Amino acid sequence: KNQVEQSPQSLIILEGKNCTLQCNYTVSPFSNLRWYKQDTGRGPVSLTIMTFSENTKSNGRYTATLDADTKQSSLHITASQLSDSASYICVVSPTGAGKSTFGDGTTLTVKP
Amino acid sequence: GAGVSQSPRYKVTKRGQDVALRCDPISGHVSLYWYRQALGQGPEFLTYFNYEAQQDKSGLPNDRFSAERPEGSISTLTIQRTEQRDSAMYRCASSRLLGLAGDSYNEQFFGPGTRLTVL
Repeated sequence: KNQVEQSPQSLIILEGKNCTLQCNYTVSPFSNLRWYKQDTGRGPVSLTIMTFSENTKSNGRYTATLDADTKQSSLHITASQLSDSASYICVVSPTGAGKSTFGDGTTLTVKP
Repeated sequence: GAGVSQSPRYKVTKRGQDVALRCDPISGHVSLYWYRQALGQGPEFLTYFNYEAQQDKSGLPNDRFSAERPEGSISTLTIQRTEQRDSAMYRCASSRLLGLAGDSYNEQFFGPGTRLTVL
């Protein structure tokens, strides 16, 4: 069964600090991995997407990495801001016939 | 705005009643997805459409759940004889390109969701 595991489940950091969120997956055959940010009460919004051949992708202060050999991805947030407080969801899509698998997300709280 | 809209935003119903949840995708988006999201969890795939054709309904929990998109634009997710376990946030997403049995490289834009509570 295709699975996406995210860690930690929740994280609290101080404003200005950096943090890294982890995503491990078993989805195969792999097509792409996407990180979403979901603000409280809102729908998820895509941050980055990476295919098999890409091992890093940046979007402002967000940098995602992908190791397709170990089936691991991370999302690094630099110089966190209060507005970064949200749930971050990792989504992995297979090639061919198969639907995307969503992780349960990491809830990040940035405190002043 | 020009985003995905869903209605109603909140729905409270009694067990045994039927409910219909509506999704208005972004204009011109050909693929439309339905998800169910429990508190503290990621979205769980239910079904998706390319234009008016339902491509995959393997995520629908049982035959009380059905979805349609008759004109390839607005979609309705219907739950018959609702049960308390159906209580959840139901989210709709649309993407510009065809969903290849999954979302492949297509970015999905999510709506605000409908919070369904079954008493």
